[in-house]
Amino acid sequence: EIVLTQSPGTLSLSPGERATLSCRASQSVSSSYLAWYQQKPGQAPRLLIYGASSRATGIPDRFSGSGSGTDFTLTISRLEPEDFAVYYCQQYGSSPTTFGGGTKVEIK
Amino acid sequence: QVQLQESGPGLVKPSETLSLTCTVSGYSISSGYYWGWIRQPPGKGLEWIGSIYHSGSTYYNPSLKSRVTISVDTSKNQFSLKLSSVTAADTAVYYCARAPGVYDRFDPWGQGTLVTVSS
Repeated sequence: EIVLTQSPGTLSLSPGERATLSCRASQSVSSSYLAWYQQKPGQAPRLLIYGASSRATGIPDRFSGSGSGTDFTLTISRLEPEDFAVYYCQQYGSSPTTFGGGTKVEIK
Repeated sequence: QVQLQESGPGLVKPSETLSLTCTVSGYSISSGYYWGWIRQPPGKGLEWIGSIYHSGSTYYNPSLKSRVTISVDTSKNQFSLKLSSVTAADTAVYYCARAPGVYDRFDPWGQGTLVTVSS
């Protein structure tokens, strides 16, 4: 199975700053079948990005995804207070679908 | 809009079978999509358990396949999870979710239900 490694484990930033989150796959993710989710405490994950760069319905344009092959990035252009959360990547190009370990974006 | 809601016992004894149901509202399971179960141990990451199509075709994570059964009841617009021979390692929040394909992104998700395995 494909192992996804997310870095950094924790990102300490201030509101208004730019956040760059990395997701690296142990082998190439076919057709850029990679998604990003946001999870807040006590809540279910929420889909942000699919197909590596397509925003899900209702997701603000400050969230963007990029990458291909084994290296993918989620960028939050200007952090809003509600963006502080844990972010997970998921590959769904190979069976079984797998998730990364998460990156926590915390307030500095 | 489509909503999913998990239900079932919050406490299961070791070696017994965990049983959960996901009730879907706002969308007919028979209309399509795949319906999946994902779990998250406390403080840890996400693990896909398996998925089902309305026809009854099932797809399981090989790591859990020997213990998992997912079924669908289109008349009740529900799908269910059974996980046998549970141990403390199966303690987790269990989520149900919808996906466009058998191996695909999940959207939306249910709110999740915590299942604790303990005697």
